[in-house]
Amino acid sequence: ETGVTQTPRHLVMGMTNKKSLKCEQHLGHNAMYWYKQSAKKPLELMFVYNFKEQTENNSVPSRFSPECPNSSHLFLHLHTLQPEDSALYLCASSRTSGGSNEQFFGPGTRLTVL
Amino acid sequence: GQNIDQPTEMTATEGAIVQINCTYQTSGFNGLFWYQQHAGEAPTFLSYNVLDGLEEKGRFSSFLSRSKGYSYLLLKELQMKDSASYLCAVRDTGTASKLTFGTGTRLQVTL
Repeated sequence: ETGVTQTPRHLVMGMTNKKSLKCEQHLGHNAMYWYKQSAKKPLELMFVYNFKEQTENNSVPSRFSPECPNSSHLFLHLHTLQPEDSALYLCASSRTSGGSNEQFFGPGTRLTVL
Repeated sequence: GQNIDQPTEMTATEGAIVQINCTYQTSGFNGLFWYQQHAGEAPTFLSYNVLDGLEEKGRFSSFLSRSKGYSYLLLKELQMKDSASYLCAVRDTGTASKLTFGTGTRLQVTL
């Protein structure tokens, strides 16, 4: 257990569906992240939130919409996805006050778009 | 931008020592991280280097040479449970939180 939880763990959706991924961290961190992990590709940073403010959007298509209501919770709203969006979506959190500030990852949501 | 290279796969024998290399070319540098990821699980933090030299933590050590854009992760006394992917990641200077990951090295430990 890393202190970062994600739900659901698995999700299958059609291209016209709308769904949301949820992430919660119990570590008192102020930064939260969404990553996409596809087979044989590097972990790809999607969004960064620092104290609830979005500080990074890595040219992510608008069909992915993040929401960060507070420093402990992060959502990724999904709509009209494409089959190539099928991947493991990982949430992470960290401090940003100096030092290593290593990121702690959740177990991920395995998403399949049909 | 960042470019990070590491071998795709490696195989080593239980009890042996293995070195996983990582080279990087970056526009900014504020630290290098190694993560371990078992199949189907979350990446977990192993080590952090921001200054040149060797950081030792039990069976695992990590080395950094900033002038050469080079790091390695050294695993000693290999155990079967060390079979996993090892991810090298570089942190940018601009945004304190932004990490760029390599594709990972899948290590298989055999008997």
